[in-house]
Amino acid sequence: GDSVTQMEGPVTLSEEAFLTINCTYTATGYPSLFWYVQYPGEGLQLLLKATKADDKGSNKGFEATYRKETTSFHLEKGSVQVSDSAVYFCAPLLTQGGSEKLVFGKGTKLTVNP
Amino acid sequence: EPEVTQTPSHQVTQMGQEVILRCVPISNHLYFYWYRQILGQKVEFLVSFYNNEISEKSEIFDDQFSVERPDGSNFTLKIRSTKLEDSAMYFCASSVRDNYGYTFGSGTRLTVV
Repeated sequence: GDSVTQMEGPVTLSEEAFLTINCTYTATGYPSLFWYVQYPGEGLQLLLKATKADDKGSNKGFEATYRKETTSFHLEKGSVQVSDSAVYFCAPLLTQGGSEKLVFGKGTKLTVNP
Repeated sequence: EPEVTQTPSHQVTQMGQEVILRCVPISNHLYFYWYRQILGQKVEFLVSFYNNEISEKSEIFDDQFSVERPDGSNFTLKIRSTKLEDSAMYFCASSVRDNYGYTFGSGTRLTVV
């Protein structure tokens, strides 16, 4: 069945380091793909999205490209900041149990040190 | 920017008691959802709701759970007889259509003691 696999953390980086968080999915079609972020003590915020192959979603310096050949949607940022410390969730719209819904990866906790 | 509003932000209840978690989705959204996140674990789908009825529910959403949209603006999740393992963060979400991104509320932290 449709599923999502996300790189597990935790990930600890120094400020200005490069970030990659891997996400792959299994799906019968071409689902819309999302990254959500959860800052400490807060809810889930949409970070970026891509709805078709080769689309690049971007926001706050983060990017992710819809790669249908590898069924991947890896999150990248060239230079992380302390304020980027949060948990990041890959969440494709997958068909599970008969209908489409957001299915969350396990989340990757990122800590950025000054 | 439109928001999904959830109340209360934190609820403590005794095991066996009923709780109602409340949500006000974005006004022009038609699809509504509840998810939960047990501390430190993944975000899990509970139920989806469209056109005044449940579209789908997960295995977690057993007979103790129910949802309602009583007045066209609120969307509630009721747990009839809470168990310790119901302790979690519950997130409400809404969407303008079923293949679009969801907007989540800030969550209700439910603690069952």
